[in-house]
Amino acid sequence: DTEVTQTPKHLVMGMTNKKSLKCEQHMGHRAMYWYKQKAKKPPELMFVYSYEKLSINESVPSRFSPECPNSSLLNLHLHALQPEDSALYLCASSQEEGSSYNEQFFGPGTRLTVL
Amino acid sequence: TQLLEQSPQFLSIQEGENLTVYCNSSSVFSSLQWYRQEPGEGPVLLVTVVTGGEVKKLKRLTFQFGDARKDSSLHITAAQPGDTGLYLCPGGGADGLTFGKGTHLIIQP
Repeated sequence: DTEVTQTPKHLVMGMTNKKSLKCEQHMGHRAMYWYKQKAKKPPELMFVYSYEKLSINESVPSRFSPECPNSSLLNLHLHALQPEDSALYLCASSQEEGSSYNEQFFGPGTRLTVL
Repeated sequence: TQLLEQSPQFLSIQEGENLTVYCNSSSVFSSLQWYRQEPGEGPVLLVTVVTGGEVKKLKRLTFQFGDARKDSSLHITAAQPGDTGLYLCPGGGADGLTFGKGTHLIIQP
């Protein structure tokens, strides 16, 4: 099983809403990632979790709050977002963070629209 | 910070033609992945190259890693509309993946 799943596929929310994005993998990977991708741009790294601990936060605003409940699950909690936060949010996983092989497997993404 | 440049940024060609896209960096990568991403979907891993000079083939796609592990190329033979997408070649290192801007490829029927 080389699949990373993400829910929901699409999300529309107002600026005062609180919502969560979910990501799951059952490959036994110990590193999980959140990326943000705007149209026609490459993915931008937001957060990295390694062995369920936050290891990298790329200066992401606090209205984005990641959570790793266990080694298979990764959440991204959203609160008080701005319209410019509308984007495709991608989750990825790899065997370990920073390993020389470092293959990351991506989920299908959540298309987020903030009104 | 490792910088990675991809070229061309945009390429539109007719079905059946051959093409090559490139990844270049001034830094050495321990590995390099090639991904294809279709609009609204996540990137799909095509191949990983690790050894300098390595060549890997995936049907009509040929991937090469430079001898110094600073660059890579992807050659597509007889391109088909299904090859359309954003091609990404992030390089791997201790800090994770470094993404370039990608190559937007359109294969017209």
